[in-house]
Amino acid sequence: GQNIDQPTEMTATEGAIVQINCTYQTSGFNGLFWYQQHAGEAPTFLSYNVLDGLEEKGRFSSFLSRSKGYSYLLLKELQMKDSASYLCAALDSNYQLIWGAGTKLIIKP
Amino acid sequence: GAVVSQHPSWVICKSGTSVKIECRSLDFQATTMFWYRQFPKQSLMLMATSNEGSKATYEQGVEKDKFLINHASLTLSTLTVTSAHPEDSSFYICSAREREADTQYFGPGTRLTVL
Repeated sequence: GQNIDQPTEMTATEGAIVQINCTYQTSGFNGLFWYQQHAGEAPTFLSYNVLDGLEEKGRFSSFLSRSKGYSYLLLKELQMKDSASYLCAALDSNYQLIWGAGTKLIIKP
Repeated sequence: GAVVSQHPSWVICKSGTSVKIECRSLDFQATTMFWYRQFPKQSLMLMATSNEGSKATYEQGVEKDKFLINHASLTLSTLTVTSAHPEDSSFYICSAREREADTQYFGPGTRLTVL
C-alpha cells in the first residue's frame, strides 16, 4: 500500500536548527511537497522536490532521495512563528496526493 | 490512521456541465470538512468549510452558487462545480476533522479538467 511516515511531534529551541524527516512508499512518484499549517489556517506551500538533492529557500531547505524514498525539511534560525504543523505529501503515478499525518513543531524560547 | 477518500480521482468534462466530487471519511466521523483548490506549486486555497447538517461557510471570493457544498452526513461531503468553465480546471482537495480534534486528514485530490 501507499504510505507516508513523519514524526508526530518535535520540539526545538528558538534560534536553533530542526530537521523533519519524511519517508514514503507510493505507486510511482511524481514529486514531494512540504506544507506549513498554522492552527485554523490553510496549508501554505513550502517546497516541491522531484529531483534528488537539496533545494534551499531562505531559512527553509528541502531534500529528496528518490532511491531511498526519503525527504526532509530543514528549518534554520528557528523563530517562534515557525511553531506549526508541517505536512509531507507525495504525488503518486496517478498524480494523487498521499499525505503524511503532519509533524507538530513546538518552538521554545 | 484516519483515511479520507475522494471520488472521482480525475474528471474531464465539457464546458457548461456540472461535476460532483465526493469526499468521504472512511474510519471516523468528520464533523467538519474543508474544500481546497490547488494551483501548481502553490498553497492550498481554502474555498469553504462545512459542518455536518449546516450550510457551508465560503471564503471571500468563492461563489457559493457555483461551488455547491453539501455535508449531509458525518462521513460524506460533496462539492458540485456547476456550469464548469476551463478556468475551473484545477486540483480540488478535501480534508476532514473529527469533533473537537486538531488534526485534519487530507484526501488524495480530484483533478478536474474542463474542455
